[in-house]
Amino acid sequence: EIVLTQSPATLSLSPGERATLSCRASQSVSSYLAWYQQKPGQAPRLLIYDASNRATGIPARFSGSGSGTDFTLTISSLEPEDFAVYYCQQRRNWPRTFGQGTKVEIK
Amino acid sequence: QVQLVQSGAEVKEPGASVKVSCRASGYTFTSYGITWVRQAPGQGLEWMGWISAYNGYTNYAQRLQGRVTMTTDTSTSTAYMELRSLRSDDTAIYYCARGGDQSWCDPWGQGTLVTVSS
Repeated sequence: EIVLTQSPATLSLSPGERATLSCRASQSVSSYLAWYQQKPGQAPRLLIYDASNRATGIPARFSGSGSGTDFTLTISSLEPEDFAVYYCQQRRNWPRTFGQGTKVEIK
Repeated sequence: QVQLVQSGAEVKEPGASVKVSCRASGYTFTSYGITWVRQAPGQGLEWMGWISAYNGYTNYAQRLQGRVTMTTDTSTSTAYMELRSLRSDDTAIYYCARGGDQSWCDPWGQGTLVTVSS
């Protein structure tokens, strides 16, 4: 099973600041990695797929990079609605797995 | 628009079974699989398994093997997830999502809260 490790667990930032979230895989997932955003009381939403492609309707301030085992989600300038929990997921191998999540909170 | 609508909240006693439904609309049901994910209170996302809506092929999480069954009804574009021998640590919100094999999980259903308590 591929283990995805996200860091940090919590990121405390102010609106307008840049957020950098990391996801590391225990073995190569090539570019088969996605990022999801989950707000309290809501279902997760696909943000980034195939490591670097924004899903439909996702603002340009969200970007993804990486391949192999190291991936990054960057939010260039945090908006109030971006404070949420972010999960990475791989679909390189079965079982599909998620990281444990990074909470982006208001400082 | 593509939409997944799940059945309502359930309360079950330990040892019982639960069956959650997920009705799809806005796309050709058999063109995508359905992934099931659960989230215990205050915890992260746990992948439970995937079913092909085309041929019924399944892939389950090892830790749930033997207790979970995923099925589809193509006549109603509905996917089902049944979990048996419920325990208190099965208390969670259960989500379905379109995709998961050759595509990503998008969109997701609204979630179904399953509470296991005596």
